[in-house]
Amino acid sequence: DGGITQSPKYLFRKEGQNVTLSCEQNLNHDAMYWYRQDPGQGLRLIYYSQIVNDFQKGDIAEGYSVSREKKESFPLTVTSAQKNPTAFYLCASSTGLNTEAFFGQGTRLTVV
Amino acid sequence: KQEVTQIPAALSVPEGENLVLNCSFTDSAIYNLQWFRQDPGKGLTSLLLIQSSQREQTSGRLNASLDKSSGRSTLYIAASQPGDSATYLCAVHPQGGSEKLVFGKGTKLTVNP
Repeated sequence: DGGITQSPKYLFRKEGQNVTLSCEQNLNHDAMYWYRQDPGQGLRLIYYSQIVNDFQKGDIAEGYSVSREKKESFPLTVTSAQKNPTAFYLCASSTGLNTEAFFGQGTRLTVV
Repeated sequence: KQEVTQIPAALSVPEGENLVLNCSFTDSAIYNLQWFRQDPGKGLTSLLLIQSSQREQTSGRLNASLDKSSGRSTLYIAASQPGDSATYLCAVHPQGGSEKLVFGKGTKLTVNP
């Protein structure tokens, strides 16, 4: 089945550690995105990538890093510099910018 | 700066009722508008995409309309069912700028049996 797979579903991190969230898509989409969702707030864009080996900062990129070495994969690293990392993280993809976006099932990150 | 508002934040209706969810946006310069459904603890499921040149889109019991000039969209759900209970989000793709989806905060719908 075509779709977007995020793993793990739940992730626990100790303060001061970096963690990497996985996002894989088999839809042959060029564009991929990472959003953060917090209770009572809308989705906020962290990073996006239009094409392999290229990515752009979104509204809240500080404390996060990404890579886009393969078309199918867009991993997100939450670094220790991110002051409030506990949140629900959503990965999305689309054929290009401004086209229909499809989302994965999310990863809930909790800092303990 | 584009802003998207969804009112009400929560809505509770009895099963079988037809209902309308509202979405408004401040800048009419958009490529398209997308409606999503989100179940608790889950990702977003795309329901309908309306291009800026379109007035409406239909999928099953769902009908979404777009009035770009007034900055409004509605999602009509016919004959609501308990399985329709979820949070519904709308998002617009603004023209120009950073080329990103701008989301509303959603309307949490509860359909009571």
